[in-house]
Amino acid sequence: NAGVTQTPKFRILKIGQSMTLQCTQDMNHNYMYWYRQDPGMGLKLIYYSVGAGITDKGEVPNGYNVSRSTTEDFPLRLELAAPSQTSVYFCASSYSGENSNQPQHFGDGTRLSIL
Amino acid sequence: AQSVTQLDSQVPVFEEAPVELRCNYSSSVSVYLFWYVQYPNQGLQLLLKYLSGSTLVESINGFEAEFNKSQTSFHLRKPSVHISDTAEYFCAVSEAKGRRALTFGSGTRLQVQP
Repeated sequence: NAGVTQTPKFRILKIGQSMTLQCTQDMNHNYMYWYRQDPGMGLKLIYYSVGAGITDKGEVPNGYNVSRSTTEDFPLRLELAAPSQTSVYFCASSYSGENSNQPQHFGDGTRLSIL
Repeated sequence: AQSVTQLDSQVPVFEEAPVELRCNYSSSVSVYLFWYVQYPNQGLQLLLKYLSGSTLVESINGFEAEFNKSQTSFHLRKPSVHISDTAEYFCAVSEAKGRRALTFGSGTRLQVQP
C-alpha cells in the first residue's frame, strides 16, 4: 500500500529552468493538493483538484501550473524557476464526499533548491 | 477564510513531564480541526482529528486535544512525553465543505530532553 508517492525527493535547478514534480496516489482519492513549506512556516496551498479534469488555485499559485488527467496523478510544473521557489513541496490526497470528509494523506515531500 | 495561530514556536520539556501545545483558530464557516506531526525529513502524519461529536479526541500514542468552540482553541496535550515525541507539530483547520484544503499554523517544535 504505497499511499501518496512523490518524485523526485531532491532536486537542484538553475534559475530559469523548468521541471515537473510528480505525485501519484493509489487510494482512489478524489481530492488532491499541492503545498509548499518554507523554513519556520506552516504549509501553504499552491493548487488543488477535486477530481480528474478539475483544478483550481490556492493561496500561492504564481509561477506554478498543474493538471489532473487521471484520478491517480497530479503533477506540479514550474515553468521558469526562481530562487523564491526554493522550498519543500508536499502533495496530499483525501476522499471527500457529500457526507464524508477524510483526513489528508501526505507524501514524503520534494526538496527543491533554485540556484 | 480561516487562520491558525500556534502560540509557541518551540517547547522544550523533560522526558516524562506533561506538555501542552497551544492552537487557536478563526473562521467564519464550520471547520474540521487536525493535529499533524512531522519528523525530520519526512512528510506530515495525522495525529488526531476533530470532525464532530465528542470535543475530546485522542490518538493511539497518548496525545489528546480538546475542541473549545467558545475559545476557538484546539490545544494538544500529553501527560507524559517520551524522547521519541521530539518533532514538529502542526495544527490545521479545513472547511467542512468546498475545497476542504488545510490551513496550517506555523508549527511548534517539541524538544524532549532526557
